[in-house]
Amino acid sequence: AQTVTQSQPEMSVQEAETVTLSCTYDTSESDYYLFWYKQPPSRQMILVIRQEAYKQQNATENRFSVNFQKAAKSFSLKISDSQLGDAAMYFCAYRLNNAGNMLTFGGGTRLMVKP
Amino acid sequence: EAGVTQFPSHSVIEKGQTVTLRCDPISGHDNLYWYRRVMGKEIKFLLHFVKESKQDESGMPNNRFLAERTGGTYSTLKVQPAELEDSGVYFCASSHQKGWADTQYFGPGTRLTVL
Repeated sequence: AQTVTQSQPEMSVQEAETVTLSCTYDTSESDYYLFWYKQPPSRQMILVIRQEAYKQQNATENRFSVNFQKAAKSFSLKISDSQLGDAAMYFCAYRLNNAGNMLTFGGGTRLMVKP
Repeated sequence: EAGVTQFPSHSVIEKGQTVTLRCDPISGHDNLYWYRRVMGKEIKFLLHFVKESKQDESGMPNNRFLAERTGGTYSTLKVQPAELEDSGVYFCASSHQKGWADTQYFGPGTRLTVL
């Protein structure tokens, strides 16, 4: 079965510090996309960052970057200079390129940011 | 541009009753998806519409769930009769096209409580 594991149910970080959220996944496919979604307390889930599996270069979006290790099937999210607005549930997900459009999600990590 | 909207935001019903959830995708998005998160577990895929056609309904749990997308615009998800285990948050997402550009935009979700 295809699975995504987020081993940290909760994390906390001091404002302005850096935090890394872990994600591992399990698929026998080689062509897929990886995503990190953020769901703030208001519940609207938004895309934070995405990565194509065939690209070795790690994706970066402002303060958000990923460490993609394809052989290890690891896709961690690093948030630099954490801000209060970063407090949210973070979901890691992947989508296979040749098996429909469905996203397979992990269980989520709740990130708290301390002022 | 308006985002994905869902109605109602909350619904509390008795076991055995019927509930209909509605999703309005982003205008022009042919792809519409339903997901749900039950009891704090992973977000699970339910089904995928392309316009008015069901492209993939492999995640629908049983025949008590009926999804429609008449006219290829908004979609409804009816649960009849509702059971206790149907409680959770039901998310709708939409996207413009398949492939790398297929970023799924999520609605705020409908929290369903079955008593």
